[in-house]
Amino acid sequence: NAGVTQTPKFQVLKTGQSMTLQCAQDMNHNSMYWYRQDPGMGLRLIYYSASEGTTDKGEVPNGYNVSRLNKREFSLRLESAAPSQTSVYFCASRKDSPLHFGNGTRLTVT
Amino acid sequence: RKEVEQDPGPFNVPEGATVAFNCTYSNSASQSFFWYRQDCRKEPKLLMSVYSSGNEDGRFTAQLNRASQYISLLIRDSKLSDSATYLCVVTFNQAGTALIFGKGTTLSVSS
Repeated sequence: NAGVTQTPKFQVLKTGQSMTLQCAQDMNHNSMYWYRQDPGMGLRLIYYSASEGTTDKGEVPNGYNVSRLNKREFSLRLESAAPSQTSVYFCASRKDSPLHFGNGTRLTVT
Repeated sequence: RKEVEQDPGPFNVPEGATVAFNCTYSNSASQSFFWYRQDCRKEPKLLMSVYSSGNEDGRFTAQLNRASQYISLLIRDSKLSDSATYLCVVTFNQAGTALIFGKGTTLSVSS
């Protein structure tokens, strides 16, 4: 099993560009999550999807959109990237269990 | 005020020391609680779940105090390999599907 797979691992964007971070899990988990982590801030929940077909805002949803494409995949989109979105992004999934994380995407917006 | 607050740290302790971390949460309806460990530039990994009656896993003991809305983690006989950031995680919504992290407490164990 691959677990939770995130792509890309690294990305550099210019201000105003758009991109989609991809996340897929092969553990048949119902819930999927996107977090961002900044120095000294811990992990902050951006959006989550409790089950296929539903999405909800977390702590810091502004500037992001998500799509729960199917049970396996949960993508995070930045429509117009800003330097404040420079961060490490983690995708996670769970089903009546603790969170399982992907390896993270390091995004820099210049 | 953040939903989940942790001791500010960093904690610098010698090998063999006992160290305790606390974490307070604001939502009295929170149902599930966890401690995660994160090594530098890596993804967080589950250290242990926290149960109402308290639970122990080797040198690690976790406790929950619902009345005061805090959880704690005690590490006995600290090892160099325990050096990491420890993250408190709490379910935020009634369904238990939204999980909120504290900012983390950094532990550095030295020889």
